Amino acid sequence: SQKIEQNSEALNIQEGKTATLTCNYTNYSPAYLQWYRQDPGRGPVFLLLIRENEKEKRKERLKVTFDTTLKQSLFHITASQPADSATYLCALDPLGGYNKLIFGAGTRLAVHP
Amino acid sequence: DAGVIQSPRHEVTEMGQEVTLRCKPISGHDYLFWYRQTMMRGLELLIYFNNNVPIDDSGMPEDRFSAKMPNASFSTLKIQPSEPRDSAVYFCASSQGQGKTQYFGPGTRLLVL
Repeated sequence: SQKIEQNSEALNIQEGKTATLTCNYTNYSPAYLQWYRQDPGRGPVFLLLIRENEKEKRKERLKVTFDTTLKQSLFHITASQPADSATYLCALDPLGGYNKLIFGAGTRLAVHP
Repeated sequence: DAGVIQSPRHEVTEMGQEVTLRCKPISGHDYLFWYRQTMMRGLELLIYFNNNVPIDDSGMPEDRFSAKMPNASFSTLKIQPSEPRDSAVYFCASSQGQGKTQYFGPGTRLLVL
């Protein structure tokens, strides 16, 4: 069956370290993959989009990789800060479009001072 | 811009009652999405509109759910009759153009007793 998997366990790291979150998918061939941040009581906020022909994308302290062979995306936050604590969701459109997004369950990140 | 506006922010109702959730998209956005988020199922797309026309409602759980968009600045999601399993956070999102970033509202937290 088709599914998107993210680490269900919360990720706890020390401030200043690099956080790495994983998104695996099966039975999809997405043209791109998106990452969102969600804070408690709020809607998701778009962070980055990476296309299938892009190996890596960066935005400030954020870096996303996309391996279509492994069917995996990694999301890195370098020099993490307590303000980075949130739930991070990955999403893709299985039909290759841009509207019918399927979301992973999300990984909760806690950055400790 | 005020962003996507949803009302009410919280709704508590009894089983069998009709519930209406409201959304005002960002001005100028031509796509509007309704999502539902639960612990068990995560964030799921229910329906989306383009230029006020429903494009895909395959995510709507059953006939008890209906959505309308009478004009470019307003949409409703109605549940009639409501059931306890409808308890969730309902998000509205909008985007400007095909494949563009979706901006989420703050959500409506619905509890059906």
